[in-house]
Amino acid sequence: KQEVTQIPAALSVPEGENLVLNCSFTDSAIYNLQWFRQDPGKGLTSLLLIQSSQREQTSGRLNASLDKSSGRSTLYIAASQPGDSATYLCAVDYTGTASKLTFGTGTRLQVTL
Amino acid sequence: DGGITQSPKYLFRKEGQNVTLSCEQNLNHDAMYWYRQDPGQGLRLIYYSQIVNDFQKGDIAEGYSVSREKKESFPLTVTSAQKNPTAFYLCASTQQGGGTEAFFGQGTRLTVV
Repeated sequence: KQEVTQIPAALSVPEGENLVLNCSFTDSAIYNLQWFRQDPGKGLTSLLLIQSSQREQTSGRLNASLDKSSGRSTLYIAASQPGDSATYLCAVDYTGTASKLTFGTGTRLQVTL
Repeated sequence: DGGITQSPKYLFRKEGQNVTLSCEQNLNHDAMYWYRQDPGQGLRLIYYSQIVNDFQKGDIAEGYSVSREKKESFPLTVTSAQKNPTAFYLCASTQQGGGTEAFFGQGTRLTVV
């Protein structure tokens, strides 16, 4: 069974700290991996998409890495801010066709003042 | 602005009633999806459609129905056969083909009263 796991389920850090969120997947034959942000009661906002041939992607203070051989992806957030507080979800595309995604359960991040 | 619009934002269903959730996209995407989100669980796929007039069941299709008469529209009907419909419903779309980014709407929260 193809599963996606995110640990920890919740994380609290002080403002300004650099942090890493983890995503593990059981099958290394992936097409891509996508990181999303979800604010309470809202939809998902796409942050970064990493293709299977790539090792990392960067957008502003965010950097996502992909290691297919170990079944892991990390989302690095630099200089965290209270506005970064949200739930972060990773999703894996195993099919490569219409991008049917398998989601992790997310990490709820709180950045405190 | 291009995007996905879900309506209504909140929906209340009485026992034995069918309700329809709307999803419209102006991204010219070929594929559209419906996911269900419950607390503590990852998003689960209900139905998806890769092309007009065609759709496939996802992991939890029982008690739901969809149609895809237009490229930009993918409504979801929650029927009375769905015994536990209270959840947050998310619609998404992607370009056809693998390795493409998924975009989500803002969700509809359905509550049984």
